Amino acid sequence: AQSVAQPEDQVNVAEGNPLTVKCTYSVSGNPYLFWYVQYPNRGLQFLLKYITGDNLVKGSYGFEAEFNKSQTSFHLKKPSALVSDSALYFCALNYGGATNKLIFGTGTLLAVQP
Amino acid sequence: NAGVTQTPKFRILKIGQSMTLQCTQDMNHNYMYWYRQDPGMGLKLIYYSVGAGITDKGEVPNGYNVSRSTTEDFPLRLELAAPSQTSVYFCASTGSNSPLHFGNGTRLTVT
Repeated sequence: AQSVAQPEDQVNVAEGNPLTVKCTYSVSGNPYLFWYVQYPNRGLQFLLKYITGDNLVKGSYGFEAEFNKSQTSFHLKKPSALVSDSALYFCALNYGGATNKLIFGTGTLLAVQP
Repeated sequence: NAGVTQTPKFRILKIGQSMTLQCTQDMNHNYMYWYRQDPGMGLKLIYYSVGAGITDKGEVPNGYNVSRSTTEDFPLRLELAAPSQTSVYFCASTGSNSPLHFGNGTRLTVT
């Protein structure tokens, strides 16, 4: 069965330091993976996706994600964190093919301290 | 563009009452979805639709119904509200090969 795991409920990082938010997945077949961000009292916003091709995917707001097939991981990264990056981050996996149904991880709260 | 619009933003229901959560999108997207978000649980798919007149169950459909009479609208109906339906509900839409666009959610409390 398909699944997505985000092992950290919260990640704390100082402003200016690099950040990593972890995601692992399980799927039969090719994975289509996504990262979304949620700010308080708002819906989710798309950050980036991996469909095929380069293992390093670049997205919005300076974020990137590294796809690793052997480790079944899709970690979100940013070289230098901003206080405004503080939000709830969700990793998601397309399990519905053409229907675009997504299964979401439980979310990781990123807290960037000034 | 308004994108995906959900109404109401907040609602308190008594057990056994019914209500409809409204969702409309102006992007001419074929695919629409209803998710619920509970703390520490991520988002769970309730129902989805691949086009007008076509709907199907997601992971957690019990206690809910949907309809899709037009491309733009995808209302979610709760017939007999239960405390377990206290949650934040998100509607989303997408076209082919594009990411999901989410509304800002409806926060529902059932007491």
